[in-house]
Amino acid sequence: DAGVIQSPRHEVTEMGQEVTLRCKPISGHNSLFWYRQTMMRGLELLIYFNNNVPIDDSGMPEDRFSAKMPNASFSTLKIQPSEPRDSAVYFCASCWDRGTNEQYFGPGTRLTVT
Amino acid sequence: AQKITQTQPGMFVQEKEAVTLDCTYDTSDPSYGLFWYKQPSSGEMIFLIYQGSYDQQNATEGRYSLNFQKARKSANLVISASQLGDSAMYFCAMREYEQGGSEKLVFGKGMKLTVNP
Repeated sequence: DAGVIQSPRHEVTEMGQEVTLRCKPISGHNSLFWYRQTMMRGLELLIYFNNNVPIDDSGMPEDRFSAKMPNASFSTLKIQPSEPRDSAVYFCASCWDRGTNEQYFGPGTRLTVT
Repeated sequence: AQKITQTQPGMFVQEKEAVTLDCTYDTSDPSYGLFWYKQPSSGEMIFLIYQGSYDQQNATEGRYSLNFQKARKSANLVISASQLGDSAMYFCAMREYEQGGSEKLVFGKGMKLTVNP
């Protein structure tokens, strides 16, 4: 299996621009998670989906952030408009919601907003 | 209140020695799961080991074992025979179930392990 796939791996954009991060979970996994990692705040859960349905989005910072999962093999996290404080590494993770439920992480997208 | 506490910001260990990474947690839920992840300098998060709150035995995965002390609410990771490739950030995490069936994986702040040759 290819593991969780994220794109792009690096994104540099100017303040005010729209940013879209993409994730392909591991085939067969039915839960998907978006995290943000910064030095100051560590790893934070932004939102998670189960069977393509958003279950908990309480971690989404504000209305500028939105996430979708149109099907079992694809999810997007969109920031519009982006701000310098959004600079972070964004991870997508997936798991099968049975058994030990260990989450497998993608390589992350390093976002820099100037 | 912090739910996962990793008090050691950094540790150094000699190659081939064993090392224990501390983790304490706080929850009132009888059902929970504890995880350890490794994050090398390349940035990816790698799942290492899992312990369920009802598991009777300590989890083991190769050179990794989890010293689970439920009454003390601690879930320390033990790495035996350290290797240079073990140098990384290590994160302890706890899965909690919330009302409505949602679940969250809450991470500690991590600690940096450096293995010296």
